[in-house]
Formats: sequence, structure tokens, C-alpha cells
Amino acid sequence: SQTIHQWPATLVQPVGSPLSLECTVEGTSNPNLYWYRQAAGRGLQLLFYSVGIGQISSEVPQNLSASRPQDRQFILSSKKLLLSDSGFYLCAYHSGLGSYNEQFFGPGTRLTVL
Amino acid sequence: KQEVTQIPAALSVPEGENLVLNCSFTDSAIYNLQWFRQDPGKGLTSLLLIQSSQREQTSGRLNASLDKSSGRSTLYIAASQPGDSATYLCAVITDSWGKLQFGAGTQVVVTP
Repeated sequence: SQTIHQWPATLVQPVGSPLSLECTVEGTSNPNLYWYRQAAGRGLQLLFYSVGIGQISSEVPQNLSASRPQDRQFILSSKKLLLSDSGFYLCAYHSGLGSYNEQFFGPGTRLTVL
Repeated sequence: KQEVTQIPAALSVPEGENLVLNCSFTDSAIYNLQWFRQDPGKGLTSLLLIQSSQREQTSGRLNASLDKSSGRSTLYIAASQPGDSATYLCAVITDSWGKLQFGAGTQVVVTP
């Protein structure tokens, strides 16, 4: 069966500190991977997506970046966090051809920047 | 630019009533539409995916309809239970890369 993991579950970081959030998928190969952010009082916003190793597309200009060092690993990073980076970060995947792009989400990481 | 709207923003019903949740989108050129459930502080759980060529999809007590030409989808939940209390989100898949465009959600409370 397919599963998706995210860690850490919660994170409290000071302004200006670096960030690294990790997402891994099990049970499928070459998935499309996505990072979304859900800020307080706002809807879900797509940040990055990846269709393969090393292939990253950014949807929203910001001080965040993403990387995909392995087929089923997706990392969200920042060199210096801003207060506005606080939010609930969700990783998602779909299995590609034949899946009709149905997406499945991880449990999320709650980030608070102080 | 695609915009997805969900009305109402919040809904409270007594247990046993049927729930009707609405989703509208401005651009009918969608690939698919997906309904999710989100419990407080949790990730999203996929409920139903409707392909653009389908008019409805069913799973247990859930039924979702899609009218692409009018830009609308409706999620019906039969015989609601307190465990159905959650926020329900609809999202349209806007291109072949599978990118989702979300509505703001409808927060549902089912009272015993």
C-alpha cells in the first residue's frame, strides 16, 4: 500500500533561522510530488511541484525552496525564515498515469516562526 | 485565472439530516475535481475524485456530482453523523501536472 510521511510534525523556529521539512512516499515509483501551505485564515496554496528527481517548479515567489534528491523524497527549505512563513505545510503525491491525478496528502507540519 | 468558491463557509445540522455542500469554479476547462475532508490540525483525506468526463461519483454515504458547463460540483452526505463534523474542501485539477486549486472550505458541525 502507498503511504506518505512528513516530519517533523511541529516546529517552532526563530525569525532568520534555517528550515528543512521532509516528505517521503512509500509504495509507488516516480510519483508527482507537491508542497502546499495552509496559512491561518487562508486557503491551501500550492508552493512547489516536482515530476521527477531534480525537477522542481515554483508556483509562488517567496524565500522558500524545494528539492527532490531521491525519487520519493521531497524537501522544503529556507535559509532565513520570516514571520510570514508560519503555517501548516502539507506534502502530497499522485501516482501518475492511470491515477487520474488523484492526490493524497501527508499529515502535515505545523510551523510557527517567532 | 481559475477561482474556486465554496458556499456556505459553515454549516450546522442535526444528526440524521442530509448534508449538501456546494463548490463552484470559474473556468470549466478542468481535468478533474477532488473532494477532501480535513479534521482540525490534520492533513487532508481524499473522499472522492470525479473525472471531467463523469457526472457523478459515489462512495458509501457520499455522492458527488459535477456539472462542468455550469462550473459546479455538489457533495451530498446522507444521514449525517457527529463523526462527519470536519471541514470539507473541493479542489479542481487545472492541468496535466495535477496541480490543485482549492476552495476555502465548508466547516460542518453535526450535532447529536
